[in-house]
Amino acid sequence: NAGVMQNPRHLVRRRGQEARLRCSPVKGHSHVYWYRQLPEEGLKFMVYLQKENIIDESGMPKERFSAEFPKEGPSILRIQQVVRGDSAAYFCASCGPDHFYEQYFGPGTRLTVT
Amino acid sequence: QKEVEQDPGPLSVPEGAIVSLNCTYSNSAFQYFMWYRQYSRKGPELLMYTYSSGNKEDGRFTAQVDKSSKYISLFIRDSQPSDSATYLCAMETSGSRLTFGEGTQLTVNP
Repeated sequence: NAGVMQNPRHLVRRRGQEARLRCSPVKGHSHVYWYRQLPEEGLKFMVYLQKENIIDESGMPKERFSAEFPKEGPSILRIQQVVRGDSAAYFCASCGPDHFYEQYFGPGTRLTVT
Repeated sequence: QKEVEQDPGPLSVPEGAIVSLNCTYSNSAFQYFMWYRQYSRKGPELLMYTYSSGNKEDGRFTAQVDKSSKYISLFIRDSQPSDSATYLCAMETSGSRLTFGEGTQLTVNP
């Protein structure tokens, strides 16, 4: 009974490179959320996806960030041309339909931009 | 003004103490109230959720919601060193994202 899986757990990128973060939700969950946790700050919502659809991306920076949740495969958070300020822990959460209050989180991907 | 305010602590208590963790909020549209526990360098773990006002108990943990005061609490009875973690309150309007407090860092000393 696997929980939410995220990989890689740690990612180091130089400024200007691309970062790809992957999230496999709990089996049977069709709703995925991405959150970002900056050092010494709380978790901030980024984007909410269902299979093949972006439902709410109001927390995503307008440039360089994109997310998808294809019909097959994991959800991907993509950051293009990373900058030092993108260094953070990125968490994915999933839930089943009609259980938005029971979001289960993965272990996170810690992105370091050098 | 932040939508959710939470005292960051740190809070240090002796083993066996009763711990009280609190959050206030400004958005009256919030309907669901959650408490998460996060160990260092791990993902948040859902402890409890409550819908609207009232109390909910689960073992040593009790969650309280007072919507009239926009105030929620988590009580931990007979605290243990294994309870040492950061506790995050979170709130949600139906079908939407979670809004988190900044977290309270708790240390339970043996």
